Amino acid sequence: KQEVTQIPAALSVPEGENLVLNCSFTDSAIYNLQWFRQDPGKGLTSLLLIQSSQREQTSGRLNASLDKSSGRSTLYIAASQPGDSATYLCAVRPSGGYQKVTFGIGTKLQVIP
Amino acid sequence: GAVVSQHPSWVICKSGTSVKIECRSLDFQATTMFWYRQFPKQSLMLMATSNEGSKATYEQGVEKDKFLINHASLTLSTLTVTSAHPEDSSFYICSATDTGRGQPQHFGDGTRLSIL
Repeated sequence: KQEVTQIPAALSVPEGENLVLNCSFTDSAIYNLQWFRQDPGKGLTSLLLIQSSQREQTSGRLNASLDKSSGRSTLYIAASQPGDSATYLCAVRPSGGYQKVTFGIGTKLQVIP
Repeated sequence: GAVVSQHPSWVICKSGTSVKIECRSLDFQATTMFWYRQFPKQSLMLMATSNEGSKATYEQGVEKDKFLINHASLTLSTLTVTSAHPEDSSFYICSATDTGRGQPQHFGDGTRLSIL
């Protein structure tokens, strides 16, 4: 059974800082890994999707890396802004035909102006 | 980009009533949609996989007679919470994937269900 862990559970940083969020998973037989953002009381917004054959993906100030063999992914946020405050979730889709995705519990980020 | 619309966004109803939640893929076809439940300060837990034209696949511990899923077309799946009780109060989110396994999942904005 796949288990996804995210550390830290919560993070508070001053505006402008660069930060790293961590995601680890127990079963390396994955098809892809996806990072999401969730604002309070809202659904999920997809940020970055990394296929199992890829090492990283970048979008604007966000960079996600994947080390499948060690079961780890990181989300790097550069020059953080108050608008980045949200909960960040990582989700892992297994290899094989089944599309079931396992989510981590998330990291709640607060960027202080 | 791909958009998934979920309706209603918030519903409050009395115990014993049934509530229907709709999930639509607006600009793509989805043979498979997923229904998740999220309790406060917890992650999303998959409830069931909705398959167009066939029966849904429920996760262990999810009562299929209580959470009825219908996926009648390639753009619409519905979740009906039957005879809802206060313990069913939660945040329900659907997702859909465009054709091709390499595509990301797109999520609706969720439905906050409160049973009095």
